[in-house]
Amino acid sequence: DGGITQSPKYLFRKEGQNVTLSCEQNLNHDAMYWYRQDPGQGLRLIYYSQIVNDFQKGDIAEGYSVSREKKESFPLTVTSAQKNPTAFYLCASSILDRAYEQYFGPGTRLTVT
Amino acid sequence: DQQVKQNSPSLSVQEGRISILNCDYTNSMFDYFLWYKKYPAEGPTFLISISSIKDKNEDGRFTVFLNKSAKHLSLHIVPSQPGDSAVYFCAASVAGRDDKIIFGKGTRLHILP
Repeated sequence: DGGITQSPKYLFRKEGQNVTLSCEQNLNHDAMYWYRQDPGQGLRLIYYSQIVNDFQKGDIAEGYSVSREKKESFPLTVTSAQKNPTAFYLCASSILDRAYEQYFGPGTRLTVT
Repeated sequence: DQQVKQNSPSLSVQEGRISILNCDYTNSMFDYFLWYKKYPAEGPTFLISISSIKDKNEDGRFTVFLNKSAKHLSLHIVPSQPGDSAVYFCAASVAGRDDKIIFGKGTRLHILP
């Protein structure tokens, strides 16, 4: 079964700690994306990557970091510099020239207290 | 500056009736529009799309209408079913540019029995 997996589903951290969210896809997609969703808000783009070892900042990249060492994997680190890290985080992927057809993972709900 | 606007945060419709979800956009460069459906604590799933060269696209119970002069699109669901209760996100992209899609804030649709 092809798809995108995100783990864990729920994550709890203390303020001041960095935390890494996992995203893996076996769709052979070149492009991968990280979004954050807050109540009453749309999906806001954090980072995206079109090729291994390369990535670009989205609209709200401050306080986040990513890596793309493998085509299948695009982990997101929420650093202690992110002022409001509690949110629902969504990973997506797409064929390189078809960013308009993104496939989403199930999401990770991060709660920082 | 919201480029994709969904002005109705929520909508309630009787089962069996037509649901109409609206979306406005400001960027005249957008040439591809999508609707995603999202259940709580899950990732969005692609529902239907339309290219700017068309004014209508139909897929089963779902039809999307595009009015380019008004920069407006709408999603019609006929007949509405209980499983349609979800948040619907309108999204838009400029094909070949930046490889990003811009999401609206979503409309929560409640199908009433």
